[in-house]
Amino acid sequence: GDSVTQMEGPVTLSEEAFLTINCTYTATGYPSLFWYVQYPGEGLQLLLKATKADDKGSNKGFEATYRKETTSFHLEKGSVQVSDSAVYFCALSDLFSGGYNKLIFGAGTRLAVHP
Amino acid sequence: DGGITQSPKYLFRKEGQNVTLSCEQNLNHDAMYWYRQDPGQGLRLIYYSQIVNDFQKGDIAEGYSVSREKKESFPLTVTSAQKNPTAFYLCASSNPPGSGNTIYFGEGSWLTVV
Repeated sequence: GDSVTQMEGPVTLSEEAFLTINCTYTATGYPSLFWYVQYPGEGLQLLLKATKADDKGSNKGFEATYRKETTSFHLEKGSVQVSDSAVYFCALSDLFSGGYNKLIFGAGTRLAVHP
Repeated sequence: DGGITQSPKYLFRKEGQNVTLSCEQNLNHDAMYWYRQDPGQGLRLIYYSQIVNDFQKGDIAEGYSVSREKKESFPLTVTSAQKNPTAFYLCASSNPPGSGNTIYFGEGSWLTVV
């Protein structure tokens, strides 16, 4: 079945460092790909998404490109801030009948940014 | 503001009790979902509903029940049959097909067995 694999955390960076969180997927069809962020004690917020190959999703300085040839959707940010400390989840959508989503999540990667 | 409201934020359950988590959305979404998150892990789907009065089991439905009597509401009952219910529960909803199919989440409810 479909699956998502993320790099294990925690990832610890200094402020203004470059961030990459790797995400690869396996899917039989052409899924949409998502990055969600979870701050401590809160629900998940959609960070960015891409719906087809070569699309680039971007938001708040984060970006990720849908790479079908490498089945990857790596998250990047050029200069992280302490406020970016959170858990990041990569996910793909698998359609139920009727076209509604079932999201398949990676295990999450915890990012800790220190001053 | 539109969004998904879950309540209560924190809930304690005694052994053998059923408890119900509330989820309400005013986004006019047809589909709603319940996910469970265990510490340090990803999310697993419990139940989902594509339309009022209809719902299907997800990957870990045993020990849970749901109802969908109104479009806006999708309560989850954690029954005494659920042997390890302590977790963080997330409700979600999504756009109709053809609108990007993005899933939006509530703030979550923490359930602890005491």
